[in-house]
Amino acid sequence: AQSVAQPEDQVNVAEGNPLTVKCTYSVSGNPYLFWYVQYPNRGLQFLLKYITGDNLVKGSYGFEAEFNKSQTSFHLKKPSALVSDSALYFCAVRDMEYGNKLVFGAGTILRVKS
Amino acid sequence: NAGVMQNPRHLVRRRGQEARLRCSPMKGHSHVYWYRQLPEEGLKFMVYLQKENIIDESGMPKERFSAEFPKEGPSILRIQQVVRGDSAAYFCASSPSGKETQYFGPGTRLLVL
Repeated sequence: AQSVAQPEDQVNVAEGNPLTVKCTYSVSGNPYLFWYVQYPNRGLQFLLKYITGDNLVKGSYGFEAEFNKSQTSFHLKKPSALVSDSALYFCAVRDMEYGNKLVFGAGTILRVKS
Repeated sequence: NAGVMQNPRHLVRRRGQEARLRCSPMKGHSHVYWYRQLPEEGLKFMVYLQKENIIDESGMPKERFSAEFPKEGPSILRIQQVVRGDSAAYFCASSPSGKETQYFGPGTRLLVL
């Protein structure tokens, strides 16, 4: 079965510093990986995805993610954090075995302090 | 292009009542997914539908829950005889095909009293 793990419940970073939100995956076959962000009482917003190709994926709002096959990781990164980046971040993998549903990690709360 | 629409945004029901949640996918999207976000449990898949067909309902509770996506109109998630444990945020997502990115609506927050 496809799964993702987000090992950190919360990440704290100072404004202007680089941020990393970690995600590891376990899949059979090639992984289709996604990052979404959720602001309080809102829906999920799509940030970026990895399907194939370059290991460094660029997405919305200055975010990027690095796909590492040997470490089965797909960490979300941003060179300079903003206070407005504070939110709940979800890593997800598409279940290609059946139905194309997304399987989500538990989520990581990002807090950026000024 | 309007995003995924869900209504109502908030729904309060008493135990034993029915809850009906609606989802209008983005224009051009014929694939709809429902997910539930329970406190302390994260986001879980419930059901995947195309127009007039249920493709995957493996995440749907066997009793009281049903979903449809008719040829015309929104997708409906129906919960009969609600219990307090049904209190959660229910999100709908849509995509143009099963292999494309899923875009999420704002969710319906159901509170069962």
